[in-house]
Amino acid sequence: RKEVEQDPGPFNVPEGATVAFNCTYSNSASQSFFWYRQDCRKEPKLLMSVYSSGNEDGRFTAQLNRASQYISLLIRDSKLSDSATYLCVVRRNSGGSNYKLTFGKGTLLTVNP
Amino acid sequence: NAGVTQTPKFQVLKTGQSMTLQCAQDMNHNSMYWYRQDPGMGLRLIYYSASEGTTDKGEVPNGYNVSRLNKREFSLRLESAAPSQTSVYFCASPSWSGTQYFGPGTRLLVL
Repeated sequence: RKEVEQDPGPFNVPEGATVAFNCTYSNSASQSFFWYRQDCRKEPKLLMSVYSSGNEDGRFTAQLNRASQYISLLIRDSKLSDSATYLCVVRRNSGGSNYKLTFGKGTLLTVNP
Repeated sequence: NAGVTQTPKFQVLKTGQSMTLQCAQDMNHNSMYWYRQDPGMGLRLIYYSASEGTTDKGEVPNGYNVSRLNKREFSLRLESAAPSQTSVYFCASPSWSGTQYFGPGTRLLVL
């Protein structure tokens, strides 16, 4: 089983739609969780961290379920500018003060006018 | 504060040629990473350096070497390029909180 698995996508939605991305992780020792956004032909950039209690940043809501080892990202009222690939990222300690980041393969979202 | 910078942005090589990809960060981070990204494969870790003077293999190290020249710089070398190394290469450096800062990437085509 891969350490981080995401919906394969792609997702095509109209402007204004609500879209949800799911992600599961296999290593229960994982400690921190993130969603990254990658625009076409650009580098990945942090979208938001994911906290145990769930967190919201404007139209974006992230949820974490440690028992099910499941992470989600909800985008409300989607905009054309939300079109990008969304990467689920998991971080765990790999020994001493070293950490390992594992990236999901990403889910491509296209928001259509 | 430029963050993470990489050179070159684009490169075309012939099979068997060598080249070095350069990366530098000005955020005073200890760790630096090299990834490759291929369609359908996601980001795969090639090598990383947890601190100046140390380097370790990642998921796909074969065909590559690295040098952590100092705290700022981490280079990736292809000694004898192969078509399978055609990819987009990203250098990255994490903050203490775990945010991974990426460079703009190098697009490499090996013919």
